[in-house]
Amino acid sequence: DAKTTQPNSMESNEEEPVHLPCNHSTISGTDYIHWYRQLPSQGPEYVIHGLTSNVNNRMASLAIAEDRKSSTLILHRATLRDAAVYYCILIQGAQKLVFGQGTRLTINP
Amino acid sequence: DADVTQTPRNRITKTGKRIMLECSQTKGHDRMYWYRQDPGLGLRLIYYSFDVKDINKGEISDGYSVSRQAQAKFSLSLESAIPNQTALYFCATSGDNQPQHFGDGTRLSIL
Repeated sequence: DAKTTQPNSMESNEEEPVHLPCNHSTISGTDYIHWYRQLPSQGPEYVIHGLTSNVNNRMASLAIAEDRKSSTLILHRATLRDAAVYYCILIQGAQKLVFGQGTRLTINP
Repeated sequence: DADVTQTPRNRITKTGKRIMLECSQTKGHDRMYWYRQDPGLGLRLIYYSFDVKDINKGEISDGYSVSRQAQAKFSLSLESAIPNQTALYFCATSGDNQPQHFGDGTRLSIL
């Protein structure tokens, strides 16, 4: 399975945008880029996914580099409820999620 | 009601005991998964099932077994629990090529 690299932690302020980076230099052409997040004391929650084009949904936006070796999850206006561990995961075929350590996002009031 | 329900939510037991963790879902998904999470780490896949007759080992299946009793039910068993199986266990479900939906987890402590 292709690997992803994320910063261990990031910090931002409430109501400001947050850009969470992910590097995946060994991504294959058929790997989808998925983002999940895990709030304290809960199971992971799906956020967004994409293949080549940028994607938007009600939770976030996903910006994918042209060479697909990196991507960025964008939270447009962070709230305190967005404090969580964010996982960037590459998925191919069998949908076996391989979690790394993720990025722990802290939101300051 | 939760779409993915795990029981029990918490369990403390002793080394050598047999434990069963249960997962049921109301989403009508064919695919179900069991993961474990250790402190400060991401989740690791134990077993997964793409339908009632399909069971597959994940990354860390040793010491565990599963049963897919019906489309909606997928149970995880520890035949003889050992302390290093103390962890948080998550069940998840998904449709074909769809995102996974997770339960709230079972916190298992083995003394």
